[in-house]
Amino acid sequence: SQQGEEDPQALSIQEGENATMNCSYKTSINNLQWYRQNSGRGLVHLILIRSNEREKHSGRLRVTLDTSKKSSSLLITASRAADTASYFCATDFQGAQKLVFGQGTRLTINP
Amino acid sequence: DTAVSQTPKYLVTQMGNDKSIKCEQNLGHDTMYWYKQDSKKFLKIMFSYNNKELIINETVPNRFSPKSPDKAHLNLHINSLELGDSAVYFCASRPSGGDSVAQYFGPGTRLTVL
Repeated sequence: SQQGEEDPQALSIQEGENATMNCSYKTSINNLQWYRQNSGRGLVHLILIRSNEREKHSGRLRVTLDTSKKSSSLLITASRAADTASYFCATDFQGAQKLVFGQGTRLTINP
Repeated sequence: DTAVSQTPKYLVTQMGNDKSIKCEQNLGHDTMYWYKQDSKKFLKIMFSYNNKELIINETVPNRFSPKSPDKAHLNLHINSLELGDSAVYFCASRPSGGDSVAQYFGPGTRLTVL
């Protein structure tokens, strides 16, 4: 299966701490994207990293990509209660014209 | 002025019925998608249309029939609903312009088949 895998499945931390989520995938990609899903809502795009990039930042988000290990990580710094959500990585495979999603990490930020 | 909208938000129906879910995007995107998210939050693509033409059809039962009357709309019709069809269905769209672009998701339609 092309499906990515995310680790951990669930993460609970205190407000102000950093949260790190990991994603692994299986085949060559054009890019890897991270999405957030609040409970009962649709997915919201957070950040995209291309296959020729190794690191990318957006506000409190930092994404890394290691194509040799077929893995990516999402770091959220100085977490806030509003960051509580599920986070999904999605891989855009070469020529596939579609995204393949991992099963997500459920992040809970405790006040 | 919602970017990607879906109707209805909730749909409860009996097994064997036929139902439709509608999706509209006002972003001017050329490509639209339907995804199914199961109870374990696993999100899987079902269909993709580009400019009203079907370009992706995953291994979805032919009880599911997408229809795109124009590039701003992608509807999903489901015949003979089964218990296993219960899920949240998301519509999404993306612009053209290369491979590295984000997708924009609708709020989802929670379908419950009784």
